Amino acid sequence: GAVVSQHPSWVICKSGTSVKIECRSLDFQATTMFWYRQFPKQSLMLMATSNEGSKATYEQGVEKDKFLINHASLTLSTLTVTSAHPEDSSFYICSAPRTSGGTYNEQFFGPGTRLTVL
Amino acid sequence: DAKTTQPTSMDCAEGRAANLPCNHSTISGNEYVYWYRQIHSQGPQYIIHGLKNNETNEMASLIITEDRKSSTLILPHATLRDTAVYYCIVRTRIQGAQKLVFGQGTRLTINP
Repeated sequence: GAVVSQHPSWVICKSGTSVKIECRSLDFQATTMFWYRQFPKQSLMLMATSNEGSKATYEQGVEKDKFLINHASLTLSTLTVTSAHPEDSSFYICSAPRTSGGTYNEQFFGPGTRLTVL
Repeated sequence: DAKTTQPTSMDCAEGRAANLPCNHSTISGNEYVYWYRQIHSQGPQYIIHGLKNNETNEMASLIITEDRKSSTLILPHATLRDTAVYYCIVRTRIQGAQKLVFGQGTRLTINP
């Protein structure tokens, strides 16, 4: 089955630093990827839609200058948390839908990246 | 996309069938019912989806009522590894409208 990977799986950083998280589709191409954030005991919250070759689309309330998204190839999207602060500590998850014949099949999720900002 | 309603939590004994309900009374004709689950500290995992017919795969069965306003995910022989949060999501399959919006889901606990 299709696999989506994320790197790193966990990261600890100091407040004020930037952290980059990678999301890769390993055996299929994804023109679109999605980034979610999940706080403890809460559901996944969609942050943004990453579009290959164009600007990302951010959900309401998500700061685009703080969460920089780059989708430089059909298999890689990156999320950079700039000037991270403790309140940015969360579980970040990406997903990619596999499409065929004009419709899309199920979405495949990465294993997540746990970010802890000290 | 239509909104779904699920019980907050459920318990089931190991080896028994786990039946997880989902209400989606505002579902429209071109919307599918999708089920995902999330085991603690992992990314969500696709389970099954359907439009109006019942579906079965190696993981589970999906029963959709005739009026499509509700559905039930069935794990036929639950194991301890099935303990997870289960999300029922309804959405179209039109390319370009691919966002998945997660509700609170049902926290299923399988007891030995």
